[in-house]
Amino acid sequence: AAGVIQSPRHLIKEKRETATLKCYPIPRHDTVYWYQQGPGQDPQFLISFYEKMQSDKGSIPDRFSAQQFSDYHSELNMSSLELGDSALYFCASSFQPGGHYGYTFGSGTRLTVV
Amino acid sequence: KQEVTQIPAALSVPEGENLVLNCSFTDSAIYNLQWFRQDPGKGLTSLLLIQSSQREQTSGRLNASLDKSSGRSTLYIAASQPGDSATYLCAVSLWDSWGKFQFGAGTQVVVTP
Repeated sequence: AAGVIQSPRHLIKEKRETATLKCYPIPRHDTVYWYQQGPGQDPQFLISFYEKMQSDKGSIPDRFSAQQFSDYHSELNMSSLELGDSALYFCASSFQPGGHYGYTFGSGTRLTVV
Repeated sequence: KQEVTQIPAALSVPEGENLVLNCSFTDSAIYNLQWFRQDPGKGLTSLLLIQSSQREQTSGRLNASLDKSSGRSTLYIAASQPGDSATYLCAVSLWDSWGKFQFGAGTQVVVTP
């Protein structure tokens, strides 16, 4: 069965650089969620989209922006990277918000800022 | 603000024993609760999803219960195996913020052969 695809799997960037993370949801899933998991921490919700509109927002820094495209894939853009942005970034998808029919998480993108 | 607590933080059992992992949450107005498994440095694998209207879910050796009134969920893993060694995370979403999961810190499980 198709899963949530995240790319790239690993990314190394220098401070003050920009990074773009991509998430491709399961076919027919219209809702995408982004989470950040720092070293030794539990995942923290960043932002979510439903039908290409932002549906909820968490503790996402102003330096980050995200959007969902017409094919439902989503991109998380991170600018002026800081060392503290080093983390595992997860994307999840569901059919409609709330995940009544279940959520599926991707394997994550590991971002290292040096 | 919803707070999710998982006890114990770490657990070590010999192979064959049953595992009991606890999750408690402060706001009972949950939409659903999900249990995940995470291997070191890896992604999240969904184990069981329990809707607010349900009291339990079962999949193979796994059984999860939900008691909204007491703000608790328990994950049971029967006849543990070394391959069950991982961190288990519980996460809840609220009615007013669908899909925005609040995660617990997890229980790190080691099953010794």
